[in-house]
Amino acid sequence: EAGVTQFPSHSVIEKGQTVTLRCDPISGHDNLYWYRRVMGKEIKFLLHFVKESKQDESGMPNNRFLAERTGGTYSTLKVQPAELEDSGVYFCASSRTGTEQYFGPGTRLTVT
Amino acid sequence: GENVEQHPSTLSVQEGDSAVIKCTYSDSASNYFPWYKQELGKRPQLIIDIRSNVGEKKDQRIAVTLNKTAKHFSLHITETQPEDSAVYFCAASRSGGRRGSQGNLIFGKGTKLSVKP
Repeated sequence: EAGVTQFPSHSVIEKGQTVTLRCDPISGHDNLYWYRRVMGKEIKFLLHFVKESKQDESGMPNNRFLAERTGGTYSTLKVQPAELEDSGVYFCASSRTGTEQYFGPGTRLTVT
Repeated sequence: GENVEQHPSTLSVQEGDSAVIKCTYSDSASNYFPWYKQELGKRPQLIIDIRSNVGEKKDQRIAVTLNKTAKHFSLHITETQPEDSAVYFCAASRSGGRRGSQGNLIFGKGTKLSVKP
């Protein structure tokens, strides 16, 4: 089966601009997670979808981040406006059961 | 808040030796402990996991042990090979737990393993 895919692989934007990241989960996986790894630190949870519903968004850093999963398939994560501290690698993961999670390759976001 | 401590941050071994990475978790309700391997430029790959009702699990050259009382779990790699070189992450979660927290992984900071030929 195809793995989790993410687009773009890299994005370089200026402070104040908007960026939208996309994640396509493994087909049939209702659970979709977003994580972020800031340089030198651990991978941190951002939010969890079950189908199109936000199950838990306790990890979202502030209201500049907006995640959607319309139709319960792919998900987008928008950062608007981007700040320097938003730089990092954004991972998406999906799971059929809510236990084993399979990660995408990540999107490396650089805010200058 | 809940956290996972991982040690060491870097580990260098000779090919054929064993490698051990240790993690400690703070949330006593955690019941699922996966390990991920991330090679340079690639995605984190789930290599083995263990649930809280099991003390040890083995898959070929890798094994994981869990001590619930001490809230420790460890990854053991035997007969290391150069292709084992990567960053390894441990994680913990409350899988199947209360609404709103199911499956959210809390990660350690990672261990960079280098296996020298």
